[in-house]
Amino acid sequence: QSALTQPASMSGSPGQSITISCTGTSSDIGIYSLVSWYQQHPGKAPKVIIYGATDRPSGVSNRFSGSKSGTTASLTISGLQAEDEADYYCCSYAGSNTWVFGGGTKVTVL
Amino acid sequence: EGQLVESGGGLIQPGESLRLSCAVSGFSVSVKYMAWVRQAPGKGLEWVSVVYGGGSTYYAGSVKGRFIISRDTSKNTVYLQMNSLRVEDTAIYYCVTMGRSAFDYWGLGSLVTVSS
Repeated sequence: QSALTQPASMSGSPGQSITISCTGTSSDIGIYSLVSWYQQHPGKAPKVIIYGATDRPSGVSNRFSGSKSGTTASLTISGLQAEDEADYYCCSYAGSNTWVFGGGTKVTVL
Repeated sequence: EGQLVESGGGLIQPGESLRLSCAVSGFSVSVKYMAWVRQAPGKGLEWVSVVYGGGSTYYAGSVKGRFIISRDTSKNTVYLQMNSLRVEDTAIYYCVTMGRSAFDYWGLGSLVTVSS
């Protein structure tokens, strides 16, 4: 299975909003709403911040929101804060009991 | 909330075998989906394998036929047997639980380096 496509990097100033896209195919994002997003700080394990394309686990800031349209999922970070500087990965169920991740997006807070 | 602790990583030569262990506390491995996800140095995440609560196992194409996921419910531990290791298998291997179709709890990871 091919990796999902994410922009390599994005940046924004504190308080701004940014939206990270995650493009898949009709074999993964296009037919399953089983999209999740992960935040990873340097040297740390990833942490799930969105599951089911739009749902937030308890304890995750409501500044993070997810959406999906067609073969593209998106993660929006509102009110950007310094602590949001991290790598972000999308993931989708790809059928036949397999999962596929995106290549990751490095978010820089200016 | 559970805890996952990986062990067994290290430096190994191409073609050799290694077994990773993931000791689980706080829940039973027999009722959760348990998976391995890896991350090559400076690279992104890659799903490797999963074992379902019923015992069914599945693998990424890149490791199918070489890696075997298993669990010992008496020890509440999940394993990843890695055979015929290649340089490109070098990565941090994370033990992960699955819930709501997401990878919800992660261990700290175990580094596997395949090099001659």
